[in-house]
Amino acid sequence: QKEVEQDPGPLSVPEGAIVSLNCTYSNSAFQYFMWYRQYSRKGPELLMYTYSSGNKEDGRFTAQVDKSSKYISLFIRDSQPSDSATYLCAMTSTGTASKLTFGTGTRLQVTL
Amino acid sequence: EPEVTQTPSHQVTQMGQEVILRCVPISNHLYFYWYRQILGQKVEFLVSFYNNEISEKSEIFDDQFSVERPDGSNFTLKIRSTKLEDSAMYFCASRGQGGNEQFFGPGTRLTVL
Repeated sequence: QKEVEQDPGPLSVPEGAIVSLNCTYSNSAFQYFMWYRQYSRKGPELLMYTYSSGNKEDGRFTAQVDKSSKYISLFIRDSQPSDSATYLCAMTSTGTASKLTFGTGTRLQVTL
Repeated sequence: EPEVTQTPSHQVTQMGQEVILRCVPISNHLYFYWYRQILGQKVEFLVSFYNNEISEKSEIFDDQFSVERPDGSNFTLKIRSTKLEDSAMYFCASRGQGGNEQFFGPGTRLTVL
């Protein structure tokens, strides 16, 4: 079983739709969770960072963590064509310089 | 807004040659990382660096790889003798003292011919 599972998509939605992106993980040591956005051939851009179960909202983005189910989600409200990108979930455990473990990324296309 | 920078943006080299990829992390950050992403695949951890020494490395990071912080601002990844399979995007990331968020640079695309 992979440590982090993420549906690669592609996911195509119309402009204005609510998008739901998800990851599951198997390692109970993961305590900190991040969502990155990556445009083609660019570096990952940090969108959201959470470390407790529950919801965290930032503008049109909501990150949700359920540690009991080992499941995290990112919701995008009122999606825009500029949201078209690959979304990566990443997670890490506690520790001095803990590495990030990434999902494969979900490619999102928001159409006009 | 402070950001991680990387040079060059694209490096083409012949198999067997040495390459050095350069990164300037965010200035007050203390933890530094290299990751790579082979085209179409996920981002993979290579190495972490803290307090002037390697904290952790993956099995990818073999004897052909080394990292260095030669001065107070630069962080480098050296590949001693490149192989075709080293062709990938290489990302540098840094993290501050107070949190676990890692901030990534734009990457260096390495092409080994």
